[in-house]
Amino acid sequence: DTEVTQTPKHLVMGMTNKKSLKCEQHMGHRAMYWYKQKAKKPPELMFVYSYEKLSINESVPSRFSPECPNSSLLNLHLHALQPEDSALYLCASSQTRIGGTEAFFGQGTRLTVV
Amino acid sequence: AQSVTQPDIHITVSEGASLELRCNYSYGATPYLFWYVQSPGQGLQLLLKYFSGDTLVQGIKGFEAEFKRSQSSFNLRKPSVHWSDAAEYFCAAYSSASKIIFGSGTRLSIRP
Repeated sequence: DTEVTQTPKHLVMGMTNKKSLKCEQHMGHRAMYWYKQKAKKPPELMFVYSYEKLSINESVPSRFSPECPNSSLLNLHLHALQPEDSALYLCASSQTRIGGTEAFFGQGTRLTVV
Repeated sequence: AQSVTQPDIHITVSEGASLELRCNYSYGATPYLFWYVQSPGQGLQLLLKYFSGDTLVQGIKGFEAEFKRSQSSFNLRKPSVHWSDAAEYFCAAYSSASKIIFGSGTRLSIRP
């Protein structure tokens, strides 16, 4: 099983809403990632968790708040987003965050901020 | 700075024709290299990877890639494309900061 599952697939939220994106993997991977992808652009790294600890934050605004409750789950809490935050949000996982292991991606959550 | 470059933004090939997508990397040490494919609105699927060893690597869906250190390239090839291969293709690499960095992508269109 090389599956990374993301829910929901689509999300529309207002600028004052609070919502969460969820990501789950059961491959025993200890590194998990959030990426943001705008149309016709490559994915941009947002956060990296390694062994349930935040190891990389790519200077992401605080309106995005990641959480890793256990080794299988990764959440992204959203609050007071802006329309320019509309994008495809991708979760990925790999065995570790050391080079030499491939990352598996979920299908993404298409987020629209209105 | 470490980088991955895909010089072709958009390529169109006829169904049944051969395909080569170009990728160049900028790295000091031996890189870990990947090719991913993305259909519209979908996530990324790993086609193949290169870590070490044989410089010609085979992947899924009939794709292969060749690592050429002298040219800093990792080009993706397929001998005969199918209409279902139309998608966005990303070359990627692990950086020394343990991040996966992506090229800008190449959009592949298939001519019937």
